[in-house]
Amino acid sequence: SAVISQKPSRDICQRGTSLTIQCQVDSQVTMMFWYRQQPGQSLTLIATANQGSEATYESGFVIDKFPISRPNLTFSTLTVSNMSPEDSSIYLCSVVSGGRYGYTFGSGTRLTVV
Amino acid sequence: DQQVKQNSPSLSVQEGRISILNCDYTNSMFDYFLWYKKYPAEGPTFLISISSIKDKNEDGRFTVFLNKSAKHLSLHIVPSQPGDSAVYFCAASSNNNDMRFGAGTRLTVKP
Repeated sequence: SAVISQKPSRDICQRGTSLTIQCQVDSQVTMMFWYRQQPGQSLTLIATANQGSEATYESGFVIDKFPISRPNLTFSTLTVSNMSPEDSSIYLCSVVSGGRYGYTFGSGTRLTVV
Repeated sequence: DQQVKQNSPSLSVQEGRISILNCDYTNSMFDYFLWYKKYPAEGPTFLISISSIKDKNEDGRFTVFLNKSAKHLSLHIVPSQPGDSAVYFCAASSNNNDMRFGAGTRLTVKP
């Protein structure tokens, strides 16, 4: 299965600022997924990022708040914009592993907004 | 709309005993179910899966049971080991590109 390098692993940010999270995959993949896990909550899909097209956002998530780039088949970024304490979460990228394995996840970014 | 639910946020068992983690789902279109394991500071990793055409899948100490009529699945770990202590996520999909996750259950296995 694919190996994903995600960074930063954690950050503490001031409210009103933005943070960009990067994910690098060791193989070419068509789709990359961005998830958020708020404390005590499910892994919630933010958006699906396809190379060469705009990301598809789930209900409750908008491009202005979570702009996504997908410049090639191995890389994607998620920006959390104009942050507030409610954005404090773990953010994860993932790709389809294929077959019975479902998804492969990055190691996650633990974001704390103060 | 939470389509996959793990109602127990935590579970504590003694080493050597059986751990049973439960998961319920609401969408009858789900046809593939997975369990992921997550250690602190790491992303979830695949543990075991089951197709809706089966009711049991076993892999070593891990067995997943699926009860389609009840829309319920469970993960059994026997015997439990301290290294099994982690957060376990249940997931379900109707195709590999649309996966829904539960909130996770934190398992603690005490020596």
